[in-house]
Amino acid sequence: GENVEQHPSTLSVQEGDSAVIKCTYSDSASNYFPWYKQELGKRPQLIIDIRSNVGEKKDQRIAVTLNKTAKHFSLHITETQPEDSAVYFCAASMEYGNKLVFGAGTILRVKS
Amino acid sequence: GAVVSQHPSRVICKSGTSVKIECRSLDFQATTMFWYRQFPKQSLMLMATSNEGSKATYEQGVEKDKFLINHASLTLSTLTVTSAHPEDSSFYICSAQTVNTEAFFGQGTRLTVV
Repeated sequence: GENVEQHPSTLSVQEGDSAVIKCTYSDSASNYFPWYKQELGKRPQLIIDIRSNVGEKKDQRIAVTLNKTAKHFSLHITETQPEDSAVYFCAASMEYGNKLVFGAGTILRVKS
Repeated sequence: GAVVSQHPSRVICKSGTSVKIECRSLDFQATTMFWYRQFPKQSLMLMATSNEGSKATYEQGVEKDKFLINHASLTLSTLTVTSAHPEDSSFYICSAQTVNTEAFFGQGTRLTVV
């Protein structure tokens, strides 16, 4: 089955700097790659997603890149703010409606 | 986005008792609902996939007789933790999806077994 690895496990950045989180997946059949932000005790919130027919997607300060050949995808957050501090999870799935396999998570701390 | 409501948000139960958790999609009909378990400082681990009117599909290592899933309608799935023990204490989260939409998560249920 699918296996998703995520790095780093913790990331501390200074406010205004960029943060990058990387994930790799094992199943070439996966086509849908969402990223979630989760605050303590809360539900995961979808922040951006990408499909396998697209190499990059951007939404304001957040971008995701996908290299399907290498089976890795990355989350980029620019101009980080203290409110970006949270746990971020990548996930992989075959498609909408299919199960999600999550990475281990990255604790992002933005220091002001 | 669509709304998924999970109830209760917190529950404390005695060891050996059963607890039922409800997951409702409030404004859409979900093709599939998924149940995840999340231990402190860990990721979401899929427990089972639930489709309306059929038996749930459990992930390897998840005891189907301990974690009973019922999916009676396109808007409601329930997870019952039977004969709960302290090691079952965890954060349980459901998600509801259709073939055309992203996953919508419930707010989670913090289960503490004492």
